[in-house]
Amino acid sequence: EPEVTQTPSHQVTQMGQEVILRCVPISNHLYFYWYRQILGQKVEFLVSFYNNEISEKSEIFDDQFSVERPDGSNFTLKIRSTKLEDSAMYFCASSARDRGGGTDTQYFGPGTRLTVL
Amino acid sequence: KNQVEQSPQSLIILEGKNCTLQCNYTVSPFSNLRWYKQDTGRGPVSLTIMTFSENTKSNGRYTATLDADTKQSSLHITASQLSDSASYICVVSPFGNEKLTFGTGTRLTIIP
Repeated sequence: EPEVTQTPSHQVTQMGQEVILRCVPISNHLYFYWYRQILGQKVEFLVSFYNNEISEKSEIFDDQFSVERPDGSNFTLKIRSTKLEDSAMYFCASSARDRGGGTDTQYFGPGTRLTVL
Repeated sequence: KNQVEQSPQSLIILEGKNCTLQCNYTVSPFSNLRWYKQDTGRGPVSLTIMTFSENTKSNGRYTATLDADTKQSSLHITASQLSDSASYICVVSPFGNEKLTFGTGTRLTIIP
């Protein structure tokens, strides 16, 4: 069964450094998402991406964050200058169709645990 | 502000027993409500999705109900198994955008 994959599984970085989290969505999906989950807290929406552009973003997704689909398979989340509070589990998800009112299932990857020291 | 509240926060039941988890939401306008299962350290896995016009939906031993008037949903698990031990998260999708609102989840533990 197709699945969303994410690399690395765990990333440790120094405060102020740039990190890139990578995701390979399910191949025929068109909608891509990033979420984060701070330890012990609920999952939070960061950004959705369709047709090579951001379709929605949350207040968390400030200028330090960016997303890109550099080729036909990868979907990346970049944090330019990490802060301690960026430490969290970051989940990528993809769906075949989910445009405000759509009900297609979002398939989540296993997550990347980011630790900022 | 859109919010999703779940109860109880945690629940311990014996293997084979049934249980019901609750979800209340304030998301408006409302598009659909989803229940996810999240094992520790893993990504959420979808169990059910219901639109505002649906009252109930089943997926094996999982049955979700939705009352869009009172903005409440429940997830009923029948004949629990040890593998059901996980967090169960209620997620609400507003109409017109993709910003899913997640609840804090119910941590379910099944004991033999």
